[in-house]
Amino acid sequence: GESVGLHLPTLSVQEGDNSIINCAYSNSASDYFIWYKQESGKGPQFIIDIRSNMDKRQGQRVTVLLNKTVKHLSLQIAATQPGDSAVYFCAEPLFRFTGGGNKLTFGTGTQLKVEL
Amino acid sequence: GAVVSQHPSRVICKSGTSVKIECRSLDFQATTMFWYRQFPKKSLMLMATSNEGSKATYEQGVEKDKFLINHASLTLSTLTVTSAHPEDSSFYICSARSAGGNIQYFGAGTRLSVL
Repeated sequence: GESVGLHLPTLSVQEGDNSIINCAYSNSASDYFIWYKQESGKGPQFIIDIRSNMDKRQGQRVTVLLNKTVKHLSLQIAATQPGDSAVYFCAEPLFRFTGGGNKLTFGTGTQLKVEL
Repeated sequence: GAVVSQHPSRVICKSGTSVKIECRSLDFQATTMFWYRQFPKKSLMLMATSNEGSKATYEQGVEKDKFLINHASLTLSTLTVTSAHPEDSSFYICSARSAGGNIQYFGAGTRLSVL
């Protein structure tokens, strides 16, 4: 299944299918993005990151695509498994001149539900 | 990968008491640590940023006298919720980042329930 639009709260996919989770950003100067996975009752877990000089980056069963023209990135999960059920956040470090440097700005998040 | 330990995972306390939450980076030096609060089905809300050896920087609307943050070493930051009230009940999460690093590594979170 594929999520479309901004801030889609829930994405349901069948086990074994590919999942695509989308994220939009507004700052054309943004140059680095991180995807996190948060399981229920736990803290976010780093999945993968991508810099703006790349269009694509692959990890284990995950791929992040970055389209700078439309300011959009997506996280693709291949052969989705029940253990992939979680909320997925895209995040962007925003530099601040005071107070400790980069602050992470999180997207709303997408709840991925894997159906057996 | 970098490991951040947060303790306790769950705490229940009476209204008016203070609660301390610890955040430790186990295998790297965390020059900067962050404290977040998360409401059900919502994104993470940054409360404050702390740099080792200096005062924390609080986000707008976060009471610094209510949420005391100490970052005394490169591996430990603490958040103390003072005079806790039921409205302080929430999921608190810390994260840590090494010097020059962009990735924040998160603790498992602390579920605070104030009766």
